Amino acid sequence: AQTVTQSQPEMSVQEAETVTLSCTYDTSESDYYLFWYKQPPSRQMILVIRQEAYKQQNATENRFSVNFQKAAKSFSLKISDSQLGDAAMYFCACTQGGSEKLVFGKGTKLTVNP
Amino acid sequence: DTGVSQDPRHKITKRGQNVTFRCDPISEHNRLYWYRQTLGQGPEFLTYFQNEAQLEKSRLLSDRFSAERPKGSFSTLEIQRTEQGDSAMYLCASSLPGTGGDGYTFGSGTRLTVV
Repeated sequence: AQTVTQSQPEMSVQEAETVTLSCTYDTSESDYYLFWYKQPPSRQMILVIRQEAYKQQNATENRFSVNFQKAAKSFSLKISDSQLGDAAMYFCACTQGGSEKLVFGKGTKLTVNP
Repeated sequence: DTGVSQDPRHKITKRGQNVTFRCDPISEHNRLYWYRQTLGQGPEFLTYFQNEAQLEKSRLLSDRFSAERPKGSFSTLEIQRTEQGDSAMYLCASSLPGTGGDGYTFGSGTRLTVV
């Protein structure tokens, strides 16, 4: 079965500093997509960044970037210049099958300290 | 379009009662998904529709659960004879096919508490 593992239940970072959240996954599929979602206490799942597995170039979205290591099945998220509004649960996810349903990790709770 | 809408936001029910949740996806999205999220966990896939056809169901979806998407628009998820273990957040998401999840949009969820 496809699995996504987030080994850091909680992380903290000082405002304006950089933090990296880890994610590893296991899939037998050759074509898949990887995501980081943010879920604040308001509970809406918000897409942070998306990576297409067939693309070697790491995705970036403003202060958010990923380090995608396909052979190692690793997909870490780097948040630069952390802001108080970045505090939330972060979930790593991978598509599975033709339905492109998502398989999620258990999440990392990020705290941003002023 | 205001995104994916879910109703109600909160539902408290007594054990044994039936409950029904509604999801209105983004209008041009023909794929619709239901997920369940328990406290401290990531969402888990329940079921998937393409238009009105329910194409995939998780083993998590016991006989007490049923989902429909008549006319390929809104969807309902019904839980019969609720149990305390059904307490969770039920999330709906919609997307376009073949986009690798591009445009995959979640609703705010329905939080179910079974007492």
